Amino acid sequence: GAVVSQHPSWVICKSGTSVKIECRSLDFQATTMFWYRQFPKQSLMLMATSNEGSKATYEQGVEKDKFLINHASLTLSTLTVTSAHPEDSSFYICSSTRADQKADTQYFGPGTRLTVL
Amino acid sequence: SQKIEQNSEALNIQEGKTATLTCNYTNYSPAYLQWYRQDPGRGPVFLLLIRENEKEKRKERLKVTFDTTLKQSLFHITASQPADSATYLCAGNSGGYQKVTFGTGTKLQVIP
Repeated sequence: GAVVSQHPSWVICKSGTSVKIECRSLDFQATTMFWYRQFPKQSLMLMATSNEGSKATYEQGVEKDKFLINHASLTLSTLTVTSAHPEDSSFYICSSTRADQKADTQYFGPGTRLTVL
Repeated sequence: SQKIEQNSEALNIQEGKTATLTCNYTNYSPAYLQWYRQDPGRGPVFLLLIRENEKEKRKERLKVTFDTTLKQSLFHITASQPADSATYLCAGNSGGYQKVTFGTGTKLQVIP
């Protein structure tokens, strides 16, 4: 199988602070990593796509200065929510494709529940 | 705009019966469709992928169809079990081969 982990699994922070979420591929090299956001009873919405060593591509309406993505290696991508506000409270999920497989299969992490007070 | 729609928000079914979930796509032709299972508070788990040139695909008790005329995919779980209770998401590639658009999901409840 292909295992993707996320850390932390949940986080509560005060409004105005920054929060970093890590996404790691544990047993494979990830060609591309994706970051999604899911609000209650809604579907996953793609926020950005990142490839190792290059700048992330953000979806329309997603502020790149607020959601900083760093794809430092083939096994690690981080999402930093800067100056978080209550409306940023959501379930953040990462996924990745494997370098040794077709690009049409994504492996998802378990998600990170962010609550901003 | 490209849309993936799962019109049934919830589906209740008796244990042992076949559950059938529907996914429709509009305003584009995806190269493939995927089905995922998502449990509460968890990330999606990949189940099956079917490409546009494939009519049907099976995996154990799961079967997926792809009808390009109806612009629809059906997802079947045969001999359903309470453990199959979860939200099932349909996704289709959009804006390129890797990126996918998700439907809102259908919450399946299998009643013992």
